Amino acid sequence: DIQMTQSPSSLSASVGDRVTITCRAGRGINKYLNWYQQKPGQGPKLLIYETSLLQHEVPSRFSGSGDGIDFTLTISGLQPEDFATYYCHQGYTTLGTFGGGTKVDVK
Amino acid sequence: EVQLVESGGGSVQPGGSLRLSCAASGFSITNHYMHWVRQVPGKGLMWVSRIIGQGSSTSYVDSVKGRFTISRDDAKNTVYLQMNSLTLEDTAVYYCARDSGAGNYYTGVADIWGRGSLVTVSS
Repeated sequence: DIQMTQSPSSLSASVGDRVTITCRAGRGINKYLNWYQQKPGQGPKLLIYETSLLQHEVPSRFSGSGDGIDFTLTISGLQPEDFATYYCHQGYTTLGTFGGGTKVDVK
Repeated sequence: EVQLVESGGGSVQPGGSLRLSCAASGFSITNHYMHWVRQVPGKGLMWVSRIIGQGSSTSYVDSVKGRFTISRDDAKNTVYLQMNSLTLEDTAVYYCARDSGAGNYYTGVADIWGRGSLVTVSS
């Protein structure tokens, strides 16, 4: 299956910071890259789908971009509720594959 | 309110079986693909299986093929995951998720998730 390499695996940031998380696909996946946020004890929450489309009711400080291989999740102005783990997921193949996750914690 | 609630997890010995349930409310499972995704505690996510909204089409990740079966009861608006021949590597939190596509349109995007059910395989 297609390997998704996500980086960094963790980062420390402060409220108000601009945070960037990247995800690289093992081969081209067109636009089929999604981003999820997960907090402890909860199921994942969909943030962005098809590279750059913001899920309903997700704040506009979250944005996504990509070129079919390399993808980026950006949080512009980190808020206290954004400290969590973020996962990319490719939906190009049946069932798809997740990246390894990026934990964003308090600096 | 659109909601998914998983149940049926627990502890089982290697080689044993468990059936997970996912009760949906606020929407009909016949209108969406439904998925099971698992997460080893403290580790990453892995998509396990999916079932079509109307019809019988299913898919499984290679590591569970022949051991796990996904099904649904439309009258109960519930999706199931029957897990047989469980191994230590199946220990995980199992999440039920709804595909964002309507009808039998598959997107591979999960827009609604449950809180998960823990399955522990241990001798």
